[in-house]
Amino acid sequence: DAKTTQPTSMDCAEGRAANLPCNHSTISGNEYVYWYRQIHSQGPQYIIHGLKNNETNEMASLIITEDRKSSTLILPHATLRDTAVYYCIVRVDGTASKLTFGTGTRLQVTL
Amino acid sequence: GAVVSQHPSWVICKSGTSVKIECRSLDFQATTMFWYRQFPKQSLMLMATSNEGSKATYEQGVEKDKFLINHASLTLSTLTVTSAHPEDSSFYICSAGQGPYGYTFGSGTRLTVV
Repeated sequence: DAKTTQPTSMDCAEGRAANLPCNHSTISGNEYVYWYRQIHSQGPQYIIHGLKNNETNEMASLIITEDRKSSTLILPHATLRDTAVYYCIVRVDGTASKLTFGTGTRLQVTL
Repeated sequence: GAVVSQHPSWVICKSGTSVKIECRSLDFQATTMFWYRQFPKQSLMLMATSNEGSKATYEQGVEKDKFLINHASLTLSTLTVTSAHPEDSSFYICSAGQGPYGYTFGSGTRLTVV
């Protein structure tokens, strides 16, 4: 699986949009971009994933650049409960394809 | 949605004893499950891939005789930490996948060896 690079930490004011970047310059054509988050002392939670088109669900939006070398996770209206470590992972599809976690971005949402 | 249940949530054991952690997929069948370990302030580290009906595949550096994995059914995988020592104290997390929506993770087991 391709490696990803994320900023170590970010701050965001509550109610504002949180934009979390991820670089994956060595991504292969069959690899998807997945985002998970981990709230303290819990298991990671799936957020969203995409291949090359932008995606949106009830939790977030995923913007993937045309060359697929980077992406941005957008939480449109961050709340205190969004404080967590966010992981960007690239992997091929399939339930036997393992997930390899990098260091992630620690997002702190403040009042 | 896909639910993965992990038990126990936390366990304290004496050094030298063994501890079993269970991971169940509640509403789907999982031929493959994954076990991770996480130390404080660190990321998740994949330990092994659990395969139903066959031997687990361990990541480099993970002792297979110390971390025994059994995946005897399509809904249950177990991780047994044998002869546990204080350095095995960690947060252990399992996961399983369902379809194209990525993996679902258990809530984790905090193991403390005293």
